[in-house]
Amino acid sequence: GAGVSQSPRYKVAKRGQDVALRCDPISGHVSLFWYQQALGQGPEFLTYFQNEAQLDKSGLPSDRFFAERPEGSVSTLKIQRTQKEDSAVYLCASSFQQSTDTQYFGPGTRLTVL
Amino acid sequence: DQQVKQNSPSLSVQEGRISILNCDYTNSMFDYFLWYKKYPAEGPTFLISISSIKDKNEDGRFTVFLNKSAKHLSLHIVPSQPGDSAVYFCAAISNFGNEKLTFGTGTRLTIIP
Repeated sequence: GAGVSQSPRYKVAKRGQDVALRCDPISGHVSLFWYQQALGQGPEFLTYFQNEAQLDKSGLPSDRFFAERPEGSVSTLKIQRTQKEDSAVYLCASSFQQSTDTQYFGPGTRLTVL
Repeated sequence: DQQVKQNSPSLSVQEGRISILNCDYTNSMFDYFLWYKKYPAEGPTFLISISSIKDKNEDGRFTVFLNKSAKHLSLHIVPSQPGDSAVYFCAAISNFGNEKLTFGTGTRLTIIP
């Protein structure tokens, strides 16, 4: 019974580089969420998938951020032309189905943009 | 605009005593509330939740109280144990919010042995 896994755990990028962050949700979980957590803050919603459908991307801060979940399981969050303000921990969470089902979080990817 | 607020960034409590963590919210559309616990270098872990139709939910040493009229909830931990030392996040779900969690900024709880 593996939990949510994320890779890489740590990523250092030079400003302007593209990065791709991976999330493996719990098997069978329909819903998948991405959150961004800046230092000293709570996680903030980025985007939400139900199976392969991206139902809400209202939290993505700019068009440099793009997320996909093509087969309804693994998801990738891509950030193009990274900026210093993108430095944060990116958390992925999955839940079984219903709106009040518990969201299980992965350990996060800490992105540092130099 | 911070819709979920945790006004105490940190709290220290003696082992065995009660820890009380507070949370306020502004969005009246929130109808489900959760507490998550986070250790360093790990993702948040679900602790306990409460629906807006209730005013109390208890699970072992953890009790969450909801006061809808005051838009306030609190988490009580009794008795507090050293393993409870962590950052605690209050979170809320809106009935129109597509299941996304809105988090507070967290309270760092330190249990003093």
